[in-house]
Amino acid sequence: DVKVTQSSRYLVKRTGEKVFLECVQDMDHENMFWYRQDPGLGLRLIYFSYDVKMKEKGDIPEGYSVSREKKERFSLILESASTNQTSMYLCASSQTGSVTDGYTFGSGTRLTVV
Amino acid sequence: DQQVKQNSPSLSVQEGRISILNCDYTNSMFDYFLWYKKYPAEGPTFLISISSIKDKNEDGRFTVFLNKSAKHLSLHIVPSQPGDSAVYFCAASAPGGSQGNLIFGKGTKLSVKP
Repeated sequence: DVKVTQSSRYLVKRTGEKVFLECVQDMDHENMFWYRQDPGLGLRLIYFSYDVKMKEKGDIPEGYSVSREKKERFSLILESASTNQTSMYLCASSQTGSVTDGYTFGSGTRLTVV
Repeated sequence: DQQVKQNSPSLSVQEGRISILNCDYTNSMFDYFLWYKKYPAEGPTFLISISSIKDKNEDGRFTVFLNKSAKHLSLHIVPSQPGDSAVYFCAASAPGGSQGNLIFGKGTKLSVKP
């Protein structure tokens, strides 16, 4: 019954590496989102996408990019990982015109940059 | 500027008692509100929601109250159980939220002690 799948639960990367976080949803949702969660800071929106090949910056896009080549897949890219990007990353999806359904979140990826 | 505020970062309650989690918002155009629950190392899961045309919604032990004039909502959990220990996020649907954008508060960590 998995609906939003994040490829890795835990990831350890070195400073300067290029990191790819993958997210796949099987609900045919138009909208997909990437958040990071840090203690005391809540959920902060990094990027989101309303459609294939479309992307919009969220509140904290610096140091990140995204790719949405297919409707079901939304990738978050850390161009050059830094220690301040150590965080829990959460992917979510939602249906356009159906805000009452809210978001469906993945299980998260705990990224540690050393 | 935060549009959705959860001013209590943490709350501790005895098992069997009532837990009350509060959320304030600034945008009077918000038309739908949701509560999410998050356990460590997991993604948030939808808990309960309320439309701005209502002032109360109940689902088992969980009740959400909305006071539009005060721009305040609260989540009541009665009776509280140790399994309710989690971080609770309040979220609001942005104006023109047909694309499913939600704005999240920073969360309140609830600890229910046996």
